Amino acid sequence: GENVEQHPSTLSVQEGDSAVIKCTYSDSASNYFPWYKQELGKGPQLIIDIRSNVGEKKDQRIAVTLNKTAKHFSLHITETQPEDSAVYFCAASSGGSYIPTFGRGTSLIVHP
Amino acid sequence: NAGVTQTPKFRVLKTGQSMTLLCAQDMNHEYMYWYRQDPGMGLRLIHYSVGEGTTAKGEVPDGYNVSRLKKQNFLLGLESAAPSQTSVYFCASTGLAISDTQYFGPGTRLTVL
Repeated sequence: GENVEQHPSTLSVQEGDSAVIKCTYSDSASNYFPWYKQELGKGPQLIIDIRSNVGEKKDQRIAVTLNKTAKHFSLHITETQPEDSAVYFCAASSGGSYIPTFGRGTSLIVHP
Repeated sequence: NAGVTQTPKFRVLKTGQSMTLLCAQDMNHEYMYWYRQDPGMGLRLIHYSVGEGTTAKGEVPDGYNVSRLKKQNFLLGLESAAPSQTSVYFCASTGLAISDTQYFGPGTRLTVL
């Protein structure tokens, strides 16, 4: 089955800095890679996703890149703000399965 | 449109007691899931359902049972609770569309003493 590794487990940055979270996956059949943000006391919420026919996708201050050959994808947050502080999860799933495998999460702390 | 709701939000059980967690979604989604979240372990799939009347095991199904008698509801049961089942439980749902986006509920914090 699919295995998703996520690093780092904790990331501490100063407000205004950039943050990068990296994930690797094992199943070459995976073609959908969502990223979720989980604020304290809430359920995860999708913030951005990418499919294997796209190398990069951007939405304002967040972007995701995908390297199919190396089987890794990354989340980039620019100009971080204190409200970006949360736990971020990556996931991978293969087309039509609708059963994603999640990484273990990254706790992002943005210091004012 | 409430999305995905979970009942209850908090619960404390004694070892050996039973309980049922209720998940409801109003988006007419076919797929529904139950996850548990433990510190440092991410989200682990307990059971899921691909439609009304169907259920399937996930990564950590032992000690849990589920039922999906109605499309909008997915129940998670603990027949004899154990301290190892202390966790935060999340329900999620997905529609059969181009996007595999999962919509999560707010979670249920369960403590088993």
